[in-house]
Amino acid sequence: KAGVTQTPRYLIKTRGQQVTLSCSPISGHRSVSWYQQTPGQGLQFLFEYFSETQRNKGNFPGRFSGRQFSNSRSEMNVSTLELGDSALYLCASSSVTGGGKHEQFFGPGTRLTVL
Amino acid sequence: DAKTTQPPSMDCAEGRAANLPCNHSTISGNEYVYWYRQIHSQGPQYIIHGLKNNETNEMASLIITEDRKSSTLILPHATLRDTAVYYCIVRNLNAGGTSYGKLTFGQGTILTVHP
Repeated sequence: KAGVTQTPRYLIKTRGQQVTLSCSPISGHRSVSWYQQTPGQGLQFLFEYFSETQRNKGNFPGRFSGRQFSNSRSEMNVSTLELGDSALYLCASSSVTGGGKHEQFFGPGTRLTVL
Repeated sequence: DAKTTQPPSMDCAEGRAANLPCNHSTISGNEYVYWYRQIHSQGPQYIIHGLKNNETNEMASLIITEDRKSSTLILPHATLRDTAVYYCIVRNLNAGGTSYGKLTFGQGTILTVHP
């Protein structure tokens, strides 16, 4: 079974621009979560989507948004980029069923650099 | 979710057991202890989880104290490839709740396995 894929893997943008990152979950997984990882703040939860609905949201400004499509693929968007948005953005998918490990499977991440 | 405390770094000799401690003194009765690790430049990887009984899988063993206020992840025969950041996470898996996809990462323990 293919793992979580994220595109693009690397991205360079300038301040003020916007960016869209894509995540394809493992086949059959309906929950997709996004995380931001920076050296200073570590791994921080952005939001989670399940069945095209945002179920949970972390403490990030409204410039960070996301959506999920009917095939469970997800995108996140960051508008008006700031230098501090430079980070590794990780996507994770999960098979949300009663019981089980609720294991999160992470993708390789998208490395965003804002100049 | 309860907060966890881990030592910032540990060393281990290759072939020896690596014992990584985690303190979660404010854990509540329905919260699970999860361990993930992140090898450099990759997404985090699930290792093991447990509620109150000790658990073992092909990767590691998890020992949870009787009062559940602390736990230890054991890698029985550490290899160089086990060098990574290890995260201890406490999660509430209440079915129907909103925290399925949310993992609250701390700073983790940097485990370095030496030849």
